[in-house]
Amino acid sequence: SQQGEEDPQALSIQEGENATMNCSYKTSINNLQWYRQNSGRGLVHLILIRSNEREKHSGRLRVTLDTSKKSSSLLITASRAADTASYFCVGPGFQKLVFGTGTRLLVSP
Amino acid sequence: EAGVAQSPRYKIIEKRQSVAFWCNPISGHATLYWYQQILGQGPKLLIQFQNNGVVDDSQLPKDRFSAERLKGVDSTLKIQPAKLEDSAVYLCASSYWDSLNTEAFFGQGTRLTVV
Repeated sequence: SQQGEEDPQALSIQEGENATMNCSYKTSINNLQWYRQNSGRGLVHLILIRSNEREKHSGRLRVTLDTSKKSSSLLITASRAADTASYFCVGPGFQKLVFGTGTRLLVSP
Repeated sequence: EAGVAQSPRYKIIEKRQSVAFWCNPISGHATLYWYQQILGQGPKLLIQFQNNGVVDDSQLPKDRFSAERLKGVDSTLKIQPAKLEDSAVYLCASSYWDSLNTEAFFGQGTRLTVV
């Protein structure tokens, strides 16, 4: 399967805390993308990390990639209520965008 | 830059009726995707177009679902006849070339309720 599997399935934290979610995949990838989905803005691309990169930052987001372990992690620092959403890792291997079930993040004020 | 446009936003139909969804991708985007997202699940890829050719339709229930991409731009997804289990949000997305190196942009979706 080309889809990523996110862990945990659900995560509940307080505002200001950090949130970490993980992704494992089975096939080789050229890059791995993270997407966010909430009721307000729909499904939105967050960040893309290439297979030759180990870490990437974008604002409060930090993504790591370990191709030897076929895993990635997304860290959201200083979380806000607006970060409440489902997060998906998407590992295209062959010109596909295949989504897993995602991590549902709830950030409480 | 205008986003991916989808219509209608909501649709309620009775089972065995037919329904069609329309998608206008971002200008210049060669790749267009249709996804089905059932409540509580991740989006499931139904069909992927590259320009007006089909790249992947392995998960499209072809006995009832059909899709076309007109002149490599707009696309329509049709369900005929609809079943109760087709109740879902149908998402359209587009990307510049393919998913290897570029992000996909998603529309707001069409929420279909089959009663």
